[in-house]
Amino acid sequence: GNSVTQMEGPVTLSEEAFLTINCTYTATGYPSLFWYVQYPGEGLQLLLKATKADDKGSNKGFEATYRKETTSFHLEKGSVQVSDSAVYFCALIPGQTSGSRLTFGEGTQLTVNP
Amino acid sequence: DTEVTQTPKHLVMGMTNKKSLKCEQHMGHRAMYWYKQKAKKPPELMFVYSYEKLSINESVPSRFSPECPNSSLLNLHLHALQPEDSALYLCASSPRLTSGGISGDTQYFGPGTRLTVL
Repeated sequence: GNSVTQMEGPVTLSEEAFLTINCTYTATGYPSLFWYVQYPGEGLQLLLKATKADDKGSNKGFEATYRKETTSFHLEKGSVQVSDSAVYFCALIPGQTSGSRLTFGEGTQLTVNP
Repeated sequence: DTEVTQTPKHLVMGMTNKKSLKCEQHMGHRAMYWYKQKAKKPPELMFVYSYEKLSINESVPSRFSPECPNSSLLNLHLHALQPEDSALYLCASSPRLTSGGISGDTQYFGPGTRLTVL
């Protein structure tokens, strides 16, 4: 079946630190990969996505590269801010099945201290 | 514009009440979704509509009744809920239901309705 495994949290960093949140996946075919962010008390926002191997998604200083050889889609940011404190979800949609069924990881809570 | 709106933002209801959640999008998307999210967990899929027809029901109890009156609007009717149904209910939309690898799959979420059942 399809699954997403995320780095366990919570993760606590100081402002301007480098961020990596690991995400690996299991899926048939060539899935589309996503990072969603959920700020406290809000819904999910699409942060970035990649639809094929070696694609790099980027947004708001965050980046993730679709690595088929390692089945990974790690999220990185060079310098985090307090406003980046949120829960981050890695997710996929399988490549060979219809229905656009999103499979989520368990989420990683990030806290950035001033 | 990738906005999905949901009303109300908060809802408190008793176990005998009937209430409805509303979701709206004006992006021309033809697939719409209801998710349930408990605290500190990822969203769980409940229902999927494609071209205003119910496509997926994830074995959701009948006290939850979805409705898609038109391509822009999605409702979730609630009746005789239990306290364990308290959660954040999220609506999402995507251009269409297709296989993966193209932008048609990207789901855009609304801000959610925080439901408390007393």
